[in-house]
Amino acid sequence: GQQVMQIPQYQHVQEGEDFTTYCNSSTTLSNIQWYKQRPGGHPVFLIQLVKSGEVKKQKRLTFQFGEAKKNSSLHITATQTTDVGTYFCASGSGNTGKLIFGQGTTLQVKP
Amino acid sequence: KAGVTQTPRYLIKTRGQQVTLSCSPISGHRSVSWYQQTPGQGLQFLFEYFSETQRNKGNFPGRFSGRQFSNSRSEMNVSTLELGDSALYLCASSMGGSGANVLTFGAGSRLTVL
Repeated sequence: GQQVMQIPQYQHVQEGEDFTTYCNSSTTLSNIQWYKQRPGGHPVFLIQLVKSGEVKKQKRLTFQFGEAKKNSSLHITATQTTDVGTYFCASGSGNTGKLIFGQGTTLQVKP
Repeated sequence: KAGVTQTPRYLIKTRGQQVTLSCSPISGHRSVSWYQQTPGQGLQFLFEYFSETQRNKGNFPGRFSGRQFSNSRSEMNVSTLELGDSALYLCASSMGGSGANVLTFGAGSRLTVL
């Protein structure tokens, strides 16, 4: 079945450094969603990408969807301690609530 | 508007027991999905209910079951609990209409099986 691989699993950065997590699939994805889960919390939706080569920005966060729609990335510029958490990519098909999640990248930020 | 509400938030059971978890979706959302989250396996899809019908099912044994009521509230049940069932069970609701659905998660029910 469809699998979504996410790397790295963990990332420790100094506050102010940049951070990137990557999401890859062996099959073409119809869409990609990104969620953030704070420690002790639940996943919260960040953004959805559906078009080939799409780039979206949210303040210091930049999301990209690959041209072949098989990969995606989330880049955070100048990390802050509030960015701490686990970032998940997820992909679904059709109009259902079934999403396949990547394993997540846990970001730690040292002040 | 109110978010997704899950009850109970924490529970402890022993092996062999059964458990029922409840989820109230966002008003107007017709789809409810359930996910199991463990440190080793990440977020695993259990099943999805839409208009009281199971629309999708993940790769979990038959001990895991669910249902949805006419008001879109959903319950999931795990029978004959095993130690490996210890996890955070997350419910998520979505509109359920056309297009990829954005999920709104509840705070989860943390189950510990002893």
